Amino acid sequence: DAGVIQSPRHEVTEMGQEVTLRCKPISGHNSLFWYRQTMMRGLELLIYFNNNVPIDDSGMPEDRFSAKMPNASFSTLKIQPSEPRDSAVYFCASSPGDLLHSPLHFGNGTRLTVT
Amino acid sequence: SQQGEEDPQALSIQEGENATMNCSYKTSINNLQWYRQNSGRGLVHLILIRSNEREKHSGRLRVTLDTSKKSSSLLITASRAADTASYFCATDAGTGFQKLVFGTGTRLLVSP
Repeated sequence: DAGVIQSPRHEVTEMGQEVTLRCKPISGHNSLFWYRQTMMRGLELLIYFNNNVPIDDSGMPEDRFSAKMPNASFSTLKIQPSEPRDSAVYFCASSPGDLLHSPLHFGNGTRLTVT
Repeated sequence: SQQGEEDPQALSIQEGENATMNCSYKTSINNLQWYRQNSGRGLVHLILIRSNEREKHSGRLRVTLDTSKKSSSLLITASRAADTASYFCATDAGTGFQKLVFGTGTRLLVSP
């Protein structure tokens, strides 16, 4: 079990550039979550998918953020255009079932710095 | 918005001592989970306690849940330097197991 795999581990970009974060969930997990972590706001849920379908994107901060899950083994979170306030650690997590019985399995995150 | 608030925000102890962290939440829950986060890494699940349970053990971990007070505690006994990490509680915030909302975390430092 390779765990949840995120890439890149670190991303440094200039304001205005497009950023794409990638996630490969654990095989067989049917729920996928994108979180953002900052010192000021802690861990925020941005969006989650169930069976590749976006269920709740109410946490996505604004239209500059978009997420896709084209198949069960891949998801992307895109920021276009990026801004310095988007600097944070972005985590992807997956779960094999509903959260009554199943915990979240987190990747090691992508640390994004927008200058 | 934060569902859980951990207390204390930071805790510093010596190896061998016990560490207790508390979590308070706002809405009715179906379960509560505790996670650990080592520096620069993702969160790791520690233990899940359901709303109809009052206490749960896993190795050196003991979790209690008081739904009347909307609070939970995590006790780590005989702490080790390797327990140094941030600890978060998370609840479903009554969403019907659809998503987890995390608290603000307690930073634990265990000194040798």
